[in-house]
Amino acid sequence: DIVMTQSPLSLPVTPGEPASISCRSNQSLLHSNGFNYLDWYLQKPGQSPRLLISLGSNRASGVPDRFSGSGSGTDFTLKISRVEAEDVGLYYCMQPLQTPFTFGPGTKVDL
Amino acid sequence: QAQLVQSGAEVRQPGASVRVSCKASGYMFLSYHIHWVRQAPGQGLEWMGIINPSGGGTTFAQKLQGRVTMTRDTSTNTVYMDLSSLRSEDTAKYFCARGVHYGAFDIWGQGTMVTVSA
Repeated sequence: DIVMTQSPLSLPVTPGEPASISCRSNQSLLHSNGFNYLDWYLQKPGQSPRLLISLGSNRASGVPDRFSGSGSGTDFTLKISRVEAEDVGLYYCMQPLQTPFTFGPGTKVDL
Repeated sequence: QAQLVQSGAEVRQPGASVRVSCKASGYMFLSYHIHWVRQAPGQGLEWMGIINPSGGGTTFAQKLQGRVTMTRDTSTNTVYMDLSSLRSEDTAKYFCARGVHYGAFDIWGQGTMVTVSA
C-alpha cells in the first residue's frame, strides 16, 4: 500500500497570512499519462470532505483561487495565499493512483 | 445538481450486520464509480472499497475482505454497502463518494453514523 504522510499535523493560521501544508508519499504518484495522482480535501467540522485539488494542481469547481496545489512524484504542497476564517478544518491529501486509495493523517488548520 | 443521499444512522450489536444505502441523483449513474470511505470518531479517513455501477464490479480494502460487500440497483440509482460481523472498531461515520475517472472524489454523501455497541 502507498503510505501518505503530512506535515505539520497542526497548523495555527492568521487571517490574511499565507499557509502551506506538505504531503509526501512513499511511492511516486506520477502516472504514465504525465499526471500526478494526488488530491487535496478539506473537511470542515461536522461536514463531509470537499474536493479542493485534483491531479496535484487542478482546482475543483468552485474552489477559491487562493488555494493552489503543486509538486510531483512523491512531494506535494497545498498553499493558501491568504487564509480566511472559513478555511479552518482538517486537510487531507489522498492518492488515487492505485487501490487501496490511501489518505494522509490530516492537518488541522485553526485560527 | 448531482448529489448523493445516504440512509440514516444505525445502531448494531457486535456480531450483527448493517446495510448503508447511497442514492445518486442529478447525473448519469452508470458513468461514475462509487467509493466508500469511513471515519472513526476523531480519526482520519479510511478508504473501504469501490463499486462500478455499470457492471457491478468491486474492489475492497484487504482488511475488510470477507466482511464487506457492495451492490447496486440500477433501477433506483442506489448503491449499498453491507458490513458483517460488526466489531466496536467499526463504529464510524460511513461516506459514499463519486469517483471521477482520474480518481478524485468530487461529490460526497452526507455520511451515515454506524454505532456498534452491546
